[in-house]
Amino acid sequence: DTEVTQTPKHLVMGMTNKKSLKCEQHMGHRAMYWYKQKAKKPPELMFVYSYEKLSINESVPSRFSPECPNSSLLNLHLHALQPEDSALYLCASSLIPGLAGVTQYFGPGTRLTVT
Amino acid sequence: GQQVMQIPQYQHVQEGEDFTTYCNSSTTLSNIQWYKQRPGGHPVFLIQLVKSGEVKKQKRLTFQFGEAKKNSSLHITATQTTDVGTYFCAVAGGTSYGKLTFGQGTILTVHP
Repeated sequence: DTEVTQTPKHLVMGMTNKKSLKCEQHMGHRAMYWYKQKAKKPPELMFVYSYEKLSINESVPSRFSPECPNSSLLNLHLHALQPEDSALYLCASSLIPGLAGVTQYFGPGTRLTVT
Repeated sequence: GQQVMQIPQYQHVQEGEDFTTYCNSSTTLSNIQWYKQRPGGHPVFLIQLVKSGEVKKQKRLTFQFGEAKKNSSLHITATQTTDVGTYFCAVAGGTSYGKLTFGQGTILTVHP
């Protein structure tokens, strides 16, 4: 099974709402990632978890709060977002990365619209 | 961090024509990966190159890593409509293990 699943597929939320994005993988990967992708742009790394610990935070605003409850699950909690936060949010997983890099498997993404 | 410049940004071809996208870096890269993203889809890993001068083929796709490990290319022979999408190069690792930095991508359109 080389699948990463994400829910929901689409999400519309107001600027005062609190919502969460969920990501799950059962490949035994111990690294999980959140990316943000705007239209016609490349994915931009937000967070990296290694062995359920946050290892990289790319200076993401605190209105985005990641959580890794166990090795298979990754959440992204959203609060007080801005319209410019509307984007495709991609989750990915991989074996633990090293200097040479490893394949990242991406989920289908959650398309978020902030109104 | 490591960065790569990818060109062209857009490429329109007639079905059956060849297509090439290039990634260039000012620094030596430890590796380079290639991903494809179909319209409305998510990035899908194609290949990773790590050795100087490496050439790998996947059916009609040929991937190259430069001798100096500062550039890479993806060439598609005789494009088909199924090749439509955005092709990204990406650099992994460096001092931040797990950080994958993408090139800007090349959006390929294939006219039947």
